[in-house]
Amino acid sequence: ETGVTQSPTHLIKTRGQQVTLRCSSQSGHNTVSWYQQALGQGPQFIFQYYREEENGRGNFPPRFSGLQFPNYSSELNVNALELDDSALYLCASTQTGIGYTFGSGTRLTVV
Amino acid sequence: RKEVEQDPGPFNVPEGATVAFNCTYSNSASQSFFWYRQDCRKEPKLLMSVYSSGNEDGRFTAQLNRASQYISLLIRDSKLSDSATYLCVVNLSSGNTPLVFGKGTRLSVIA
Repeated sequence: ETGVTQSPTHLIKTRGQQVTLRCSSQSGHNTVSWYQQALGQGPQFIFQYYREEENGRGNFPPRFSGLQFPNYSSELNVNALELDDSALYLCASTQTGIGYTFGSGTRLTVV
Repeated sequence: RKEVEQDPGPFNVPEGATVAFNCTYSNSASQSFFWYRQDCRKEPKLLMSVYSSGNEDGRFTAQLNRASQYISLLIRDSKLSDSATYLCVVNLSSGNTPLVFGKGTRLSVIA
């Protein structure tokens, strides 16, 4: 059984650019959540997908968007990057009634 | 008021010490409670779930007081390997609703 994998592990982008982060959920998990963790803070919920539909969103602007695919993998897209978007982006998958499994994250630096 | 608040830390303790982490949550509808451990520049990992009856796992004891909306984690006989950030986490249900994290409390166990 594979865990949650995220790619890339590290990324440097310029302010104003767009970025796509990817996540492969754990086998059998149909729900994927994305979190942003700024330095020294706890993870903040961005949004969640269940069977390809967004079913929850945190307090993030529309330039943060996502997708979930039929195999339950997911993407997080961020447009018009700002310096404050620099953070560790975590993907977590779950199946209803079972705990969350986190990927090792993508560390995004916006310069 | 933040949804989940933790001791600000950091805690610096000698090996063998007992250390307690405290956490309060604001949403009385919260149903599930956890402590996660996060090592530097790594993803959060589930340490233990927290139940109203209290639960223990080796040197770790977690307590929940629903009336006070308070959660605690006690680590006895601290080891160097316990050095990490401890995150208090709540969930509105036991299903696939997003996790709400506290800011975390950093623990350094010193030889």
